Amino acid sequence: GEEVAQTPKHLVRGEGQKAKLYCAPIKGHSYVFWYQQVLKNEFKFLISFQNENVFDETGMPKERFSAKCLPNSPCSLEIQATKLEDSAVYFCASSQYRGRHEQYFGPGTRLTVT
Amino acid sequence: KQEVTQIPAALSVPEGENLVLNCSFTDSAIYNLQWFRQDPGKGLTSLLLIQSSQREQTSGRLNASLDKSSGRSTLYIAASQPGDSATYLCAVRVISSGSARQLTFGSGTQLTVLP
Repeated sequence: GEEVAQTPKHLVRGEGQKAKLYCAPIKGHSYVFWYQQVLKNEFKFLISFQNENVFDETGMPKERFSAKCLPNSPCSLEIQATKLEDSAVYFCASSQYRGRHEQYFGPGTRLTVT
Repeated sequence: KQEVTQIPAALSVPEGENLVLNCSFTDSAIYNLQWFRQDPGKGLTSLLLIQSSQREQTSGRLNASLDKSSGRSTLYIAASQPGDSATYLCAVRVISSGSARQLTFGSGTQLTVLP
C-alpha cells in the first residue's frame, strides 16, 4: 500500500495481559521502525528491521517486548505481561533502502494498560 | 548520545503571521533531519526532509533550513493559517558506525494559530 497501516487503533489490556500490535509498511520499503510515544511528545526508538531481519534493537526492553517482521505478513510488536508504564502510543514507520531514507509513519496504536 | 531540543515548547500567533520554529541538536554528525506535524490523536505527517549536504528545503508556505556545523535547524511558516495549528516535531538521523537509521526526536513545539 501507499501508507503505513497499523492495527488496532486502540487496545486496552489489564495489567499482566499480553498485547500484540501490527504494522504493514509501505510496499517496497525495506526498513521498519517501531517507536513508543509517552508523555505527549517523548518518542523512544524501540527496534528496527531490514526486511525480516532485526537491524537495531537497542531500544527494546527485552524481558517483555518482542517483535517480528515475517515475509508476506504484517510486522508485529508483542508485549508480554503488560505494565501500567507500557501505556503509550506505538508508532510504526517505514523507509526505502535507497534514496533519501525518509521515514513515513503510521497512525499509531494507543495502548492503555489498566 | 544525540539530544534534540525544540524551542519554544508552545507558540500562539494570530492568523497571517510569519513564524519560525527552532530545533537544535548536539551531535552534528547527522545523515538527515526531518520536520513532522502531529495533529491531536493522530500520527506524524512528514513535512520536509533535509539531507546533511543541503542548506534548505521548501514546500509551499514551509521552508526548513539546516546549519549542521552549529547544530541548528529552523522551520519557517509563512502567512500562518488556523489549519496550521498542530505540534511540530524535529527529528534527526545520526551517522553511526552501525549505520543505525532510527530518528531521535525533539519534544516538539505546539503551535496555535488564532483566527
